[in-house]
Amino acid sequence: GENVEQHPSTLSVQEGDSAVIKCTYSDSASNYFPWYKQELGKRPQLIIDIRSNVGEKKDQRIAVTLNKTAKHFSLHITETQPEDSAVYFCAASRSGGGNKLTFGTGTQLKVEL
Amino acid sequence: DADVTQTPRNRITKTGKRIMLECSQTKGHDRMYWYRQDPGLGLQLIYYSFDVKDINKGEISDGYSVSRQAQAKFSLSLESAIPNQTALYFCATKSITGEQFFGPGTRLTVL
Repeated sequence: GENVEQHPSTLSVQEGDSAVIKCTYSDSASNYFPWYKQELGKRPQLIIDIRSNVGEKKDQRIAVTLNKTAKHFSLHITETQPEDSAVYFCAASRSGGGNKLTFGTGTQLKVEL
Repeated sequence: DADVTQTPRNRITKTGKRIMLECSQTKGHDRMYWYRQDPGLGLQLIYYSFDVKDINKGEISDGYSVSRQAQAKFSLSLESAIPNQTALYFCATKSITGEQFFGPGTRLTVL
């Protein structure tokens, strides 16, 4: 089955700096890669996703890049703000097979003033 | 707004007790999922369902069972709870575009 590894497990940045979280996956058939943000005590919520037919996707301060050859994808947050502090999860799935998402173990991002 | 809800939100029980966690959704999605979240382990899939009465095992189904008697409802049962089942449990639905929508979670403590 799919295995998703996520790094780093914790990340501390100064407000206004950029943050990068990286994930690798094992199943070359995976073609859907979402990122979820989970604030303390809240449910995970989708912030951006990318499919294997594109290499990059951007939404305001958030971008995701995908390298299919190397089987890794990354989340980039620019101009970080205190409200970006949360746990971020990457995930991967493929068409069929129940479209099961396999999640990474999460990155605790802390944006310091 | 269409949503995913879970009951109860918090539950404390004793070893050996039977527990049922309920999930309801008004999104009209066919696919529903139960996940378990432990610190440092991310979200692990317990069971999932494509439609009414369809049940599929996930990564960590041992010790759990589920029931899908209606499109809008997907319940998770622990037949005989044990302390290492103490965790945060999330129900989720999935749209046809692939996005998963999570419920608010149920915090379960087994003493």
